[in-house]
Amino acid sequence: GESVGLHLPTLSVQEGDNSIINCAYSNSASDYFIWYKQESGKGPQFIIDIRSNMDKRQGQRVTVLLNKTVKHLSLQIAATQPGDSAVYFCAENIPTGANSKLTFGKGITLSVRP
Amino acid sequence: GAVVSQHPSWVICKSGTSVKIECRSLDFQATTMFWYRQFPKQSLMLMATSNEGSKATYEQGVEKDKFLINHASLTLSTLTVTSAHPEDSSFYICSARRTSGSFSSDTQYFGPGTRLTVL
Repeated sequence: GESVGLHLPTLSVQEGDNSIINCAYSNSASDYFIWYKQESGKGPQFIIDIRSNMDKRQGQRVTVLLNKTVKHLSLQIAATQPGDSAVYFCAENIPTGANSKLTFGKGITLSVRP
Repeated sequence: GAVVSQHPSWVICKSGTSVKIECRSLDFQATTMFWYRQFPKQSLMLMATSNEGSKATYEQGVEKDKFLINHASLTLSTLTVTSAHPEDSSFYICSARRTSGSFSSDTQYFGPGTRLTVL
């Protein structure tokens, strides 16, 4: 969806707990979704992706869930570590003819308490 | 694999000067590269899509004469901010998309970003 860009919401979790980061996307035609992690002063880092014909995909310590009915995407991080502290963005790939492009969500700050 | 570099990582320039930022895919070929701008505590906003050997496609509201994009090879795209002004100060990030036909070919891999400060 479009980024309004005022203040990023923050999710605070205890080290060792599981984190769930949610994202609502805007375009029902989106065919591919990606979660990125961005640390301060750095570019976004790919975490995990999922196609629209899937509803779940697992990686190492991370799981992405897709609910197309309500246009909702979530990222689950197991056993959250201090190094997971960052801003997390979901992105939807919108097919646009010859070129598809990503639209980024607003971002959520994950803060891990020691 | 899938490493994207940007140069410079930061630049400070005087108002009215032009600044060139390079984006390179180091270990893969990228038919398509993208340029984003990010203001503090905001999300990434796509500025333009750059295809190797053709003109860039700019997003609505982005001045193509101010932000010149050149994608001369499958591993290099450049963004030139012409006649920069303080309001152009931002974090500029490029990404590159693989050219293969696999599932991961839609994935964009991002560079580390370039911090531009215009005095």
